[in-house]
Amino acid sequence: EVQLVESGGGLVQPGRSLRLSCAASGFTFNDYAMHWVRQAPGKGLEWVSSISWNSGSVGYADSVKGRFTISRDNAKTSLYLQMNILRPEDTALYYCAKDRGGNWLDFWGQGTLVTVSS
Amino acid sequence: DIQMTQSPSSVSASVGDRVTITCRASQVISSWLAWYQQKPGKVPKLLIYAASSLQSGVPSRFSGSGFGTDFTLTISSLQPEDFATYYCQQAHSFPITFGQGTRLEIK
Repeated sequence: EVQLVESGGGLVQPGRSLRLSCAASGFTFNDYAMHWVRQAPGKGLEWVSSISWNSGSVGYADSVKGRFTISRDNAKTSLYLQMNILRPEDTALYYCAKDRGGNWLDFWGQGTLVTVSS
Repeated sequence: DIQMTQSPSSVSASVGDRVTITCRASQVISSWLAWYQQKPGKVPKLLIYAASSLQSGVPSRFSGSGFGTDFTLTISSLQPEDFATYYCQQAHSFPITFGQGTRLEIK
C-alpha cells in the first residue's frame, strides 16, 4: 500500500524558514518523480514544485521560485521542501504527491499545515 | 503560464443526474489534462489522466473527453458519494497549473 506521510509544518514568523519532509513507502520510490502541492484554507490547489526520479530535473511555481528548494533522498525514500523567506501567503496545507508518470498525481499524503504569521 | 478555467464554478444536481464540467486551457495542451476529485477534509483523488484515461479503481460513470484547449468531465449518473469539488490540471508544461475548481452540490 502506497503511503506518503508529511511532517515539519507549524507556525512560523514571516521571513523565517521551515523544512518539510515526506516519508514514502509501499512503492519503488526511486522510480518516480514527486511533487509538492499546496492548498490555502478554503482555496483551490496550487502546484508548488516537482523533482524527477534522480533529482536531475526540478521545477517551481513562480510564487516560490528562489525561496523554496525541493530535494529527495532515494536511500531514505524521502522527499523534502526547504522553504525560506516565508510569507503570510505561503500559509497552506502542503501535500506530497507521487507522479504516476506524465505529471499525473496518483497518490497524495494527508498534508502538513504551514502557518506564516507574526 | 497556462491558465486553466473551469465552468461552472458550482453546480447543483440530484442523484441520478448526468453532470458535465468543462475546463478550458489558455493555450493548446494536446491531451495533457487530468481531473481530480476532492471531498471536504480529504485529499485529492486522481480520476482521469491524459484527458480520457480512467485511473485504476475509479467507477466507469466518470469519463473525460477533449483535446487541445477544451475538455469535459462527465458523471453519467450521480451517486451520493460524488458530491465534491473537482479540479482540472494541465501537465503539458511547467509550471503545472490547476483550474479553480467546480463545486458539485446536492440539489
